Amino acid sequence: ELKVEQNPLFLSMQEGKNYTIYCNYSTTSDRLYWYRQDPGKSLESLFVLLSNGAVKQEGRLMASLDTKARLSTLHITAAVHDLSATYFCAVSGMDSNYQLIWGAGTKLIIKP
Amino acid sequence: SAVISQKPSRDICQRGTSLTIQCQVDSQVTMMFWYRQQPGQSLTLIATANQGSEATYESGFVIDKFPISRPNLTFSTLTVSNMSPEDSSIYLCSVETNYGYTFGSGTRLTVV
Repeated sequence: ELKVEQNPLFLSMQEGKNYTIYCNYSTTSDRLYWYRQDPGKSLESLFVLLSNGAVKQEGRLMASLDTKARLSTLHITAAVHDLSATYFCAVSGMDSNYQLIWGAGTKLIIKP
Repeated sequence: SAVISQKPSRDICQRGTSLTIQCQVDSQVTMMFWYRQQPGQSLTLIATANQGSEATYESGFVIDKFPISRPNLTFSTLTVSNMSPEDSSIYLCSVETNYGYTFGSGTRLTVV
């Protein structure tokens, strides 16, 4: 059974600091997704990671994938208040019949 | 990437009544997915809707409670039947595109 563990579940940080959110999954996967959700809003796609060693960056966010370690990271550089949101990772693969299996989410609060 | 129009955005309903949520996609898609997100939680897949066949429901969800229609490749509805306060959640539809999964704007349902 494909399981996804995300940590931390809650993160409060100061503007200007760097931090990393971790996403571990239990079996092989084909794709790993990162999403952002603002309070009361829907989900916004951030990154889709397809292969080992994949790295994608958008602004202050950078996501990477290590399929051998079954680990993806979402790194935040020099955080700004606007990045406050809940971040979810999700994985799909043969073991989940290609359905998305979701992490619990990381609620990120960035204080000015 | 596909654009999904989801209605209604929110509703407050009396227990015992039913609510139908609609999702319209601006392109033809094979599968549409319906999720529930309870407050502060991650996403839970309710069912997968294919055009021309009955929806496939996940464990814990049944057709009598959550009937789904999929009359064509751009439209689907989810009905929440005989509602109770435990059904208060955000309901989201989603489709898979070449760029990952896109989500509707969500329906925030409160049952009183």
